[in-house]
Amino acid sequence: EAGVAQSPRYKIIEKRQSVAFWCNPISGHATLYWYQQILGQGPKLLIQFQNNGVVDDSQLPKDRFSAERLKGVDSTLKIQPAKLEDSAVYLCASSLVAGNTEAFFGQGTRLTVV
Amino acid sequence: GENVEQHPSTLSVQEGDSAVIKCTYSDSASNYFPWYKQELGKRPQLIIDIRSNVGEKKDQRIAVTLNKTAKHFSLHITETQPEDSAVYFCAADTDKLIFGTGTRLQVFP
Repeated sequence: EAGVAQSPRYKIIEKRQSVAFWCNPISGHATLYWYQQILGQGPKLLIQFQNNGVVDDSQLPKDRFSAERLKGVDSTLKIQPAKLEDSAVYLCASSLVAGNTEAFFGQGTRLTVV
Repeated sequence: GENVEQHPSTLSVQEGDSAVIKCTYSDSASNYFPWYKQELGKRPQLIIDIRSNVGEKKDQRIAVTLNKTAKHFSLHITETQPEDSAVYFCAADTDKLIFGTGTRLQVFP
């Protein structure tokens, strides 16, 4: 079974630039998560989708971050404009359903804002 | 919303000793408690999980216990080996999956 795919693996941008990350979840998984993991910390949930609807985005800085999951499959996370404190690994995960089932993680995108 | 606290932040043990990591959660509606292991530069991977209708679960050298009344759950690793060295995260799930802050486990040969 193919895993969660993310791209790019690495990205370096200057502050105030924009960046986009892409995630392709495991086929058939209805739930998709985006996490931000700052070095030395636990993954912080940014947004959770159930199919193409948003379940929770309470921790998403909506003035600069946006995410969509068109057609309930692939998802993109965008940052515009980026700040230095956005430097982190952005992890995408998916699960069959929300709650009570394993979430599978992608390799992540390491973002460095300089 | 759900808040998950995890202790200790670092843990060093001698090979062969046991290691225990503890977590507490705030939302009594949480019903699924997975544990993830993350090696340096790699993705988190599930090592064991427990559901709210079970008090304990074991898988070889790894066990997890859950106390729903006290809202805490723990990971127990016995006969630790150097390859157990990693960062371990607990998580709690109601309808969203919230992670603890992580425990860096070092197993010295």
